[in-house]
Amino acid sequence: GQQVMQIPQYQHVQEGEDFTTYCNSSTTLSNIQWYKQRPGGHPVFLIQLVKSGEVKKQKRLTFQFGEAKKNSSLHITATQTTDVGTYFCAGRPTGANNLFFGTGTRLTVIP
Amino acid sequence: GAGVSQSPSNKVTEKGKDVELRCDPISGHTALYWYRQSLGQGLEFLIYFQGNSAPDKSGLPSDRFSAERTGGSVSTLTIQRTQQEDSAVYLCASSFGQGAPLYEQFFGPGTRLTVL
Repeated sequence: GQQVMQIPQYQHVQEGEDFTTYCNSSTTLSNIQWYKQRPGGHPVFLIQLVKSGEVKKQKRLTFQFGEAKKNSSLHITATQTTDVGTYFCAGRPTGANNLFFGTGTRLTVIP
Repeated sequence: GAGVSQSPSNKVTEKGKDVELRCDPISGHTALYWYRQSLGQGLEFLIYFQGNSAPDKSGLPSDRFSAERTGGSVSTLTIQRTQQEDSAVYLCASSFGQGAPLYEQFFGPGTRLTVL
């Protein structure tokens, strides 16, 4: 069945270092969304990408959608302790009715 | 306005009992989703309601799980004859409009289910 995989599963960084999580799908995606879940909290929407090769930025966060629309990445520049949490991608396979969430990357920032 | 609410926030039950989990979506949201999240794991899709269409039940793990949505608003997820492996946080999310996967999902705080 359709799977959306994320790597790495866990990432520990020193505060101020950069962080990247990658999302890969076995099939082409119509759109992809990114969510952040703080420890003990629920997922909160960050952004949506729709176009092939699209790049969007939110302050220190940069989101990319691959040219083939099968992969995406989230890059955080100069991490802060407030970035701690699990980052999920969620993609909709072309023609499908639903979003499939990735396995998530849990980010720990060491002060 | 109010966000997605879920009740109860915590539920402890004995193996073999039935449980009902409730979700109140954001008013006006036509799409409603149920997910399950085990400790430290990702989101497992369970079921998706869109307006008056037949729900997408493809994620329900067994016939012990069922869900309904009354009047296009409140939804109830029922787990019959609970098992210990059903222990998890059950998250509900709602979304705006047709073509709902194109819209962001707003998540509720979840119900933490513990089956003893």
